Amino acid sequence: QLQESGPGLVKPSETLSLTCSVSGGSTSNFYWNWFRQPPGKGLEWIGYTHDSGDTNYNPSLRSRVSTSIDTSKNQVSLKLYSVTAADTAMYYCAKWANSLEAADIWGQGTMVTVSS
Amino acid sequence: EIVLTQSPGTLSLSPGERATLSCRASQSVDSKYLVWYQQKSGQAPRLLIYGASSRATGVPDRFSGSGSGTDFTLTISRLEREDFAVYYCQRWGSSPLTFGGGTKVEIK
Repeated sequence: QLQESGPGLVKPSETLSLTCSVSGGSTSNFYWNWFRQPPGKGLEWIGYTHDSGDTNYNPSLRSRVSTSIDTSKNQVSLKLYSVTAADTAMYYCAKWANSLEAADIWGQGTMVTVSS
Repeated sequence: EIVLTQSPGTLSLSPGERATLSCRASQSVDSKYLVWYQQKSGQAPRLLIYGASSRATGVPDRFSGSGSGTDFTLTISRLEREDFAVYYCQRWGSSPLTFGGGTKVEIK
């Protein structure tokens, strides 16, 4: 199971920080993805991270995104810097299944609003 | 960036009817990287189909995927009430991973 957590409200120009807690399994040896979905809109890929250090980010967000994994805590983290109202969205973490080439397990998501 | 275009935007059908959803790519997509998700209101996406045509664990056999190259299709043979949702196609293989805009299947 995956559970996202973090502040529901972030001020413009500040940093959005989210954590994805993994239960019932390990963060090791998997690719962990972040996605987001603005209210009423479609899905957008933010990027992925692996405990080997391999990361890949959507070019549209690359300059503002950072991800990491803490295998000792079984947690995956996302930071999005210099946020604006356009970053208001539901944020999801998801485990990537290499054998399926798909995100097979998703967290329930956490809503983040960017507003002063 | 490979763009995925889904059509129609909304499909209004009755339970028991057949639903055919289209996903067209701006460039050829390796079938093993073409995926379909279902998203119900207020819920996270759920993996339905991977590799263009393989059903994920627990997905009923009324769901089927097909296609190759730039044209892919998700078919729901007989709609059940729980199938009314939004469906997204997604592709990987090269960065960035991209989604189609979604098709909403609503009750007529």
